[in-house]
Amino acid sequence: EDQVTQSPEALRLQEGESSSLNCSYTVSGLRGLFWYRQDPGKGPEFLFTLYSAGEEKEKERLKATLTKKESFLHITAPKPEDSATYLCAVQPQSRGGSEKLVFGKGMKLTVNP
Amino acid sequence: NAGVTQTPKFQVLKTGQSMTLQCAQDMNHNSMYWYRQDPGMGLRLIYYSASEGTTDKGEVPNGYNVSRLNKREFSLRLESAAPSQTSVYFCASSEGNRGLYGYTFGSGTRLTVV
Repeated sequence: EDQVTQSPEALRLQEGESSSLNCSYTVSGLRGLFWYRQDPGKGPEFLFTLYSAGEEKEKERLKATLTKKESFLHITAPKPEDSATYLCAVQPQSRGGSEKLVFGKGMKLTVNP
Repeated sequence: NAGVTQTPKFQVLKTGQSMTLQCAQDMNHNSMYWYRQDPGMGLRLIYYSASEGTTDKGEVPNGYNVSRLNKREFSLRLESAAPSQTSVYFCASSEGNRGLYGYTFGSGTRLTVV
């Protein structure tokens, strides 16, 4: 069974205090790993797709990395506006052309000024 | 640049009532999805449509039906609502070719069944 586990479930940081969020996964063939950001009362917003071990993607203060078993979302010098829930999802190999995603439960990040 | 539009945004139903959640996308995406999000459970796939004219069950399809009306629209129907269907429902769409840009989500429908 395809599974995604995110840790920690919640994280409080002071502004400027860098940290990393972990996403471990088990999947029958990985087509891609996705990171999303979700603000309260809104739908998830796409951040990154990673396809192969060793790949890295960056966007402002966020950097996502991928290994064969897990992905990390590194947050460098976070600001209060980075406060959100971060979702990790994997796309298993599948036939038929659809891109079903399996999501983790999310990690709520709070950055205090 | 509307993206994915869901209606209604909020709904309260009585147990046993029926309703249809509407979803439309204007990005010419092939694939569309319905997820529900519950506290502590994450996003769970209800139904999906890989392309116009096809639909398939996801992880939690019981109590729901879907219709892919055309390439733009994908609706979710609750025939006889139950309190266990209280949730936030998200519609999403994707290009259908490795999902290079992931899903685009709507803003959600918050449904309460009393």
